Amino acid sequence: QVQLQESGPGLVKPSETLSLTCTISGDSISSSYYYWGWIRQPPGKGLEWIGSIFSSGNTYYNPSLKSRVSISVDTSKNQFSLKVTSVSATDTSMYFCARQNRQLAAFDSWGQGTLVTVSS
Amino acid sequence: EIVLTQSPVTLSLSPGERATLSCRASQSVSTYLAWYQQRPGQAPRLLIYDASNRATGIPARFSGSGSGTDFTLTISSLEPEDFAVYYCQQRSNWPLTFGGGTKVEI
Repeated sequence: QVQLQESGPGLVKPSETLSLTCTISGDSISSSYYYWGWIRQPPGKGLEWIGSIFSSGNTYYNPSLKSRVSISVDTSKNQFSLKVTSVSATDTSMYFCARQNRQLAAFDSWGQGTLVTVSS
Repeated sequence: EIVLTQSPVTLSLSPGERATLSCRASQSVSTYLAWYQQRPGQAPRLLIYDASNRATGIPARFSGSGSGTDFTLTISSLEPEDFAVYYCQQRSNWPLTFGGGTKVEI
């Protein structure tokens, strides 16, 4: 059974870059059946899709974040990563990584999430 | 961008009652709609995909219906563990979008 685990700093200063990694176990990031995505959730609020990546490196981003976001894949480590530049307090959120099943057109497996706070 | 509007925002019911949640899309998403359940402190869990198909391990009391712009998630008889927040999500077009959520409370 696939498992996803987010890792990275829990505290980032304003204007700096937020960097998170999602490590996949029980599945291959190179599988043609899935995209791999990032979703965030501000405290007490709803879900916001950040972006998704295919193993080939093709990426899709939320237009509201596109200028500050990049997602990359490391197939040798079975990981994918998120970078958000020039962060502010509004980027404070729980960040989830998830497997996006192409056939189901849905996120069928999620990491537990990691809370990132933007504060000086 | 396709906007998903969920209603009601909050649904107050008792165990054993039937819950009916709505999700309306700003344009047609065909049947490319999923539903998720999120309990406090947990990650979302996929309940329904392609508007009406239950995901693996999801109890039969959960059902989805609809196509185009109007969708419904029905919980036939609420169990204590069903009191949670429910989100719809479309994958008809990029960017992917989520609805604002419906909280089912006791």
